[in-house]
Amino acid sequence: EDKVVQSPLSLVVHEGDTVTLNCSYEVTNFRSLLWYKQEKKAPTFLFMLTSSGIEKKSGRLSSILDKKELFSILNITATQTGDSAIYLCAVDSLRNTGKLIFGQGTTLQVKP
Amino acid sequence: DAMVIQNPRYQVTQFGKPVTLSCSQTLNHNVMYWYQQKSSQAPKLLFHYYDKDFNNEADTPDNFQSRRPNTSFCFLDIRSPGLGDAAMYLCATSRDGAGAVGNEQFFGPGTRLTVL
Repeated sequence: EDKVVQSPLSLVVHEGDTVTLNCSYEVTNFRSLLWYKQEKKAPTFLFMLTSSGIEKKSGRLSSILDKKELFSILNITATQTGDSAIYLCAVDSLRNTGKLIFGQGTTLQVKP
Repeated sequence: DAMVIQNPRYQVTQFGKPVTLSCSQTLNHNVMYWYQQKSSQAPKLLFHYYDKDFNNEADTPDNFQSRRPNTSFCFLDIRSPGLGDAAMYLCATSRDGAGAVGNEQFFGPGTRLTVL
């Protein structure tokens, strides 16, 4: 059965800290991995990763995929209170066309 | 701006009283999805439409139905809501499914359903 596992489930840091969120997956016919940020509303798209070793970067956020070891990390540097959210990892596979398999999410709280 | 719109944002219904949630999109995407998300849980896919083709998840209760009368609109009907159906319902769209590079889904703001 396809599955996506995120760790840690929750994390509390202080402003300015750097955090690394993990996502591992077991999916048949992997196609892409996506990261979403969810505050008190719908998830918003952050990154889509399809190739190993190519870092995607957007401001203080960056992400990379390792298709050999079947995981991805999401890094946030110099965290701010506005980064507090649930970060969702999801995987798209050819076998489940049109269906994203979500991890359970990592809840990040950034304290002032 | 092109977007995914959900109405209403908040819906209160009574136990057993049918309710319909709506979703519309201006992205002209082929695929539309309905997710149920309960507190502290990841979104759970209920079903999706690829154009007019309906795809139901195996564990979606019969109580949940969907309609897609045209490309832009998709509805979620809950025939007899129970207390356990209280959740956030998310609509999402994607440009394509089969053969597309990646499957970036764009989410609407969600409808929070309360069942009394």
